[in-house]
Amino acid sequence: AQSVTQLDSHVSVSEGTPVLLRCNYSSSYSPSLFWYVQHPNKGLQLLLKYTSAATLVKGINGFEAEFKKSETSFHLTKPSAHMSDAAEYFCVVTRNAGNMLTFGGGTRLMVKP
Amino acid sequence: DTEVTQTPKHLVMGMTNKKSLKCEQHMGHRAMYWYKQKAKKPPELMFVYSYEKLSINESVPSRFSPECPNSSLLNLHLHALQPEDSALYLCASSRGRIRDLNEGEQFFGPGTRLTVL
Repeated sequence: AQSVTQLDSHVSVSEGTPVLLRCNYSSSYSPSLFWYVQHPNKGLQLLLKYTSAATLVKGINGFEAEFKKSETSFHLTKPSAHMSDAAEYFCVVTRNAGNMLTFGGGTRLMVKP
Repeated sequence: DTEVTQTPKHLVMGMTNKKSLKCEQHMGHRAMYWYKQKAKKPPELMFVYSYEKLSINESVPSRFSPECPNSSLLNLHLHALQPEDSALYLCASSRGRIRDLNEGEQFFGPGTRLTVL
């Protein structure tokens, strides 16, 4: 069975400071992992994905994530937060070796001016 | 065209009404999905269509009835809903067969905000 744990339900940073959103997963096979972002009253947008190629994955809007198999982690980072980054972020793993998704509980990122 | 579109954006309905949600994609994707999302929660999978056939129903009540008229369209027919069905309903699509590895990326529409009075 697959599961995803986002370790922080809320993260607050100041504009211009680094962002770290933490995600741990469990899977009985080599999974594909994703980070999606959801702005208020919007659908989900893919930020980046890991599919067994490079372990450091670069995404849109300056975000990146590193797949660490030994730690079963896939943390999302950004060097400098922008006000427009304030949103809900979901860490997602594929389910059952196919394209069904298992979502983490979400992390709400708040960016202070 | 890399978009999934959904109509309407907002819908208010009474418990005796019949309404439909519509979803469309023109990316040639052969898997389409309906999700329900309550406030401050992740999306919950409702239905999966693969090659226009219903492949997964996550024990959804029969007052929700999905339909896939062709490979680009997905409908969700609503009848006799309850107030607790109020939520954001998201449609998504993805490439390939449901068991293909590394085909997990799903493209989401903006959603329909449903309120049941």
